[in-house]
Amino acid sequence: EPEVTQTPSHQVTQMGQEVILRCVPISNHLYFYWYRQILGQKVEFLVSFYNNEISEKSEIFDDQFSVERPDGSNFTLKIRSTKLEDSAMYFCASSVGEDTQYFGPGTRLTVL
Amino acid sequence: RKEVEQDPGPFNVPEGATVAFNCTYSNSASQSFFWYRQDCRKEPKLLMSVYSSGNEDGRFTAQLNRASQYISLLIRDSKLSDSATYLCVVRGFAGGGNKLTFGTGTQLKVEL
Repeated sequence: EPEVTQTPSHQVTQMGQEVILRCVPISNHLYFYWYRQILGQKVEFLVSFYNNEISEKSEIFDDQFSVERPDGSNFTLKIRSTKLEDSAMYFCASSVGEDTQYFGPGTRLTVL
Repeated sequence: RKEVEQDPGPFNVPEGATVAFNCTYSNSASQSFFWYRQDCRKEPKLLMSVYSSGNEDGRFTAQLNRASQYISLLIRDSKLSDSATYLCVVRGFAGGGNKLTFGTGTQLKVEL
């Protein structure tokens, strides 16, 4: 069964550093998403991406965040200058159309 | 009022018990409804979509009441492996877009 994959599984970084989280969505999916979950809290939407552009973003997704689909398979989330409060689990998801979204295993980001 | 509201639990039930979870959502324009399951420190996994006509998948039954903005999940003959957090999820919360809005989850512990 096809799956969304994410790398790395755990990323530790210093405050102020840039990080890039990588995702490989399911191959025939057209819509891509990033969500995050701070420990002990609910899953929160960050951004959706379709047809090579952002289709929707949340208030969390400020100028420090960016997304890119650099080739036909990868989908990345970049945080330019990490803050302590960016520490969270980041989930990538993808969907064929506008309905069921399938999640990757997540990247645990720890900002020190 | 919270966007998607769930009783956090935990619900501690013996193996074989029937357990029901409820969820309410605040925006009547929401388009699609789901139950996801999340194991500790793992990604959300789709359990089932929820339709107004009700739907059943083995031991799991989901129901949607659009008039009351209420979603339910019933688990019959619960197994130890059902222990997890059950997430009530709404798509198109603000009347458009694909973003998923999550509840905080209801924790289920099935015991011997």
